[in-house]
Amino acid sequence: GAVVSQHPSWVICKSGTSVKIECRSLDFQATTMFWYRQFPKQSLMLMATSNEGSKATYEQGVEKDKFLINHASLTLSTLTVTSAHPEDSSFYICSETNSDHNEQFFGPGTRLTVL
Amino acid sequence: GQNIDQPTEMTATEGAIVQINCTYQTSGFNGLFWYQQHAGEAPTFLSYNVLDGLEEKGRFSSFLSRSKGYSYLLLKELQMKDSASYLCAVYSGGYNKLIFGAGTRLAVHP
Repeated sequence: GAVVSQHPSWVICKSGTSVKIECRSLDFQATTMFWYRQFPKQSLMLMATSNEGSKATYEQGVEKDKFLINHASLTLSTLTVTSAHPEDSSFYICSETNSDHNEQFFGPGTRLTVL
Repeated sequence: GQNIDQPTEMTATEGAIVQINCTYQTSGFNGLFWYQQHAGEAPTFLSYNVLDGLEEKGRFSSFLSRSKGYSYLLLKELQMKDSASYLCAVYSGGYNKLIFGAGTRLAVHP
């Protein structure tokens, strides 16, 4: 399967700062990548679909001005949490889909803690 | 709307068999996935069903009935390392969005 990396794996920041999370496809050109958020003991919630070369598609209830997504190349998508607050503390996971759309490959996740 | 239901928690004994059920109601269906997730880690792929029937892969099997909106994951010869959350997810929508259920936390006891 495809290999997806995320950086950083964990980050602690002060309230009000912005944090950028990178999602890289190491062996596959991903035109579409997905960003999920997972709170403790809850399931993954899709935040947005990241499309290479175009604007991301956000799920209902997700603020696009707060969670900035950039998918400038076929191997890199970034999620920037702007003006982070403690309630943004969560596990953020990206994924990519293969060409047949019958499997998604997940990155290892980024744990964000906002103090 | 989108709705995926699975039990919140299950317990089982090492060496036994456990079946985790999942029912779904989604706008569009392009396949159903089962993922395993250990605490603090990303989900790992277990199975994919797009046609009705049983898919067997080692100790794990997955069943799908599209007419009933129903799937189950069957785990045989349970091991302690199988203690994890099991996520049912449906591919739905034009971009093949993966919609996850809340997950079933399985605890395997000696």
